[in-house]
This record gives sequence, structure tokens and C-alpha cells, in this order.
Amino acid sequence: GENVEQHPSTLSVQEGDSAVIKCTYSDSASNYFPWYKQELGKGPQLIIDIRSNVGEKKDQRIAVTLNKTAKHFSLHITETQPEDSAVYFCASRRDSGYSTLTFGKGTMLLVSP
Amino acid sequence: SAVISQKPSRDICQRGTSLTIQCQVDSQVTMMFWYRQQPGQSLTLIATANQGSEATYESGFVIDKFPISRPNLTFSTLTVSNMSPEDSSIYLCSVGGRSPFPGLALSDTQYFGPGTRLTVL
Repeated sequence: GENVEQHPSTLSVQEGDSAVIKCTYSDSASNYFPWYKQELGKGPQLIIDIRSNVGEKKDQRIAVTLNKTAKHFSLHITETQPEDSAVYFCASRRDSGYSTLTFGKGTMLLVSP
Repeated sequence: SAVISQKPSRDICQRGTSLTIQCQVDSQVTMMFWYRQQPGQSLTLIATANQGSEATYESGFVIDKFPISRPNLTFSTLTVSNMSPEDSSIYLCSVGGRSPFPGLALSDTQYFGPGTRLTVL
């Protein structure tokens, strides 16, 4: 089955810096890659996703890049703010038939003022 | 996106008892899922709740321990049976999949509810 590795497990940055979280996946048939943000005491919230027919997607300060050849994808957060502090999860999934999301182990991002 | 609510939001239960968690979504969805998230850990899929048929369980999870109902396209329940302290976790409902009705397009993105925080003493 699919295996998703996520690094780093914790990331501390200063406010205004950029943060990058990387994930690798094993199933070459995976073609959907969402990122979730989970704040303390809340459920995961989808923040951005990408499909395999594009290499990059941006939404304001957040961007995701995908390298299908290398089977890795990354989340980039620019101009970080304290409210970006949370646990971030990457996931992957095939987009056909009965398929479910496989999650990485999560990255705790701490943005210091 | 879909708005998902879960009841209860948290509970403290005694060993050996059972708890039923409800999940309600504001639109009809094809797929509903139940996840477990142990403290400080990632999300583990328990089962996919199928409307009108038995749930599909992942390896390591069985129906006797986690019976699931899904009577319609907007509602599901998960029961945690004969609980032990090891069942202390956050239980999350998730929905996704394309709308079964033409014209009511719903992204196949997967959304999560706020979770139910269960502590078993």
C-alpha cells in the first residue's frame, strides 16, 4: 500500500520567515495531494491541494509543488505569522476507484513573534 | 465545502462502556469516513461508512468493536464498544466524494469534522 513520509516533524521559524515541509510517497499511481492544517483542539482543515497534472499551485502565502518523477511534494508558506502555528499533514490518494487518503505523520510548525 | 458537526464534542467514559458518536453534514455526500487520531499522532482510517450497506473496515479494525451506521447521505454514527483506556483518542468524521445528484456538484476533496475527544478511565 501507499506510504507517505513527512519531514521535518517539528519546524520553528521567526515571524516573516518562510517555512517548507516536504513529503514523499511510494505509490506512483497516486495523483491527488492535499495539505491539512490542524490547530489545537480542532479538526484538520484543508488549506491547499494539487493534482498530478500540475507542478505548482499557489494561494496567497501558501504554495504546493509536486515532482511526480521523484514522487515528492512540498508545502511552502511565505511571510509566516504566529497564527500559522499548527500541525500540518500531507496526504496522497489515487483518484480512481475505491481509494482513501494516506497521511504523513505531521509537522508541528511554531512561528515565533 | 461541507459543514460537518459531531456530537458529542468530548466525553469521559468508564472502562467497559460504549459511546456512540454522531456525524451530521449539511449536504448529501457519497463518501463518509471515520478516523482515529491518538494523542500527538497522525490520522488513521477506521472505516468507510457506506449508505445502505455494511461499512468497509481497514486492517486492524473490526465491526464488533466499531459498529458504524449510515442511514442516509448526510448522517453517520460510530460506536466505540467495550471501551478501554487504549481507546482514548480523537475520533474524526470526514466526508468527500462527488454528489450523487447532477447539478449539485461537490468537490471530491475530503473535509473533516471538529472531532470527538474521548477519554476512557
